[in-house]
Amino acid sequence: QVQLVQSGAEVKKPGASVKVSCKASGYTFSGDYIHWVRQAPGQGLEWMGWLNPKSGGTNYAQKFQGRVTMTRDTSINTAYMELSRLRSDDAAVYYCARGAVGFCGGGTCSQDFDYWGQGTLVTVSS
Amino acid sequence: DIQMTQSPSSLSASVGDRVTITCRASQSISNFLNWYQQKPGKAPKLLIYAASSLQGGVPSRFSGSGSGTDFTLTISSLQREDFASYYCQQSYIAPYTFGRGTKLEIK
Repeated sequence: QVQLVQSGAEVKKPGASVKVSCKASGYTFSGDYIHWVRQAPGQGLEWMGWLNPKSGGTNYAQKFQGRVTMTRDTSINTAYMELSRLRSDDAAVYYCARGAVGFCGGGTCSQDFDYWGQGTLVTVSS
Repeated sequence: DIQMTQSPSSLSASVGDRVTITCRASQSISNFLNWYQQKPGKAPKLLIYAASSLQGGVPSRFSGSGSGTDFTLTISSLQREDFASYYCQQSYIAPYTFGRGTKLEIK
């Protein structure tokens, strides 16, 4: 069965970096994008970007450009999200999700987040 | 970026009620619209994709409709396990924006 298992909770100081891992199993890792979504305490869901595990290509939300880096290690079916220059408002649960291609029309194809990791709590505190 | 406006932000209902949540996109997204359910402390779960297609294993009391800019999620007869938060998301183009969510509470 498809599983995404994330690394454990992190506590970081402002200005530091955090790197969260997402290990995939039960499907062909290179076949679907991995997306990263975060959720601040009591808030909604915020899309951060996607990683193409096959090519290593990425697409980041403009808000995170310059601070986020998404990478992968195909030998161990693992995706990574690193966020640098942490601020207090980066405190959140970070999720990885598989982006399955749903349907295509008008020159574009949907990305449906059908499996999610369990989430990684990142605390930012001095 | 495409903005997703979801309403209501919260809703109180009783077991057995029929409830509807709406989502409006700031531009046409055809039927590139997903709905997710999230329970406290858990990851979101895909309920509906392509505006009206039920994800495998999701009960048939959930349904979605709409196209273009206006969409709805309907739960035909609320069950206790349906009390949760619900989010719409456009899957048309990055950034794949979410609505702000609807918290469905027991009356």
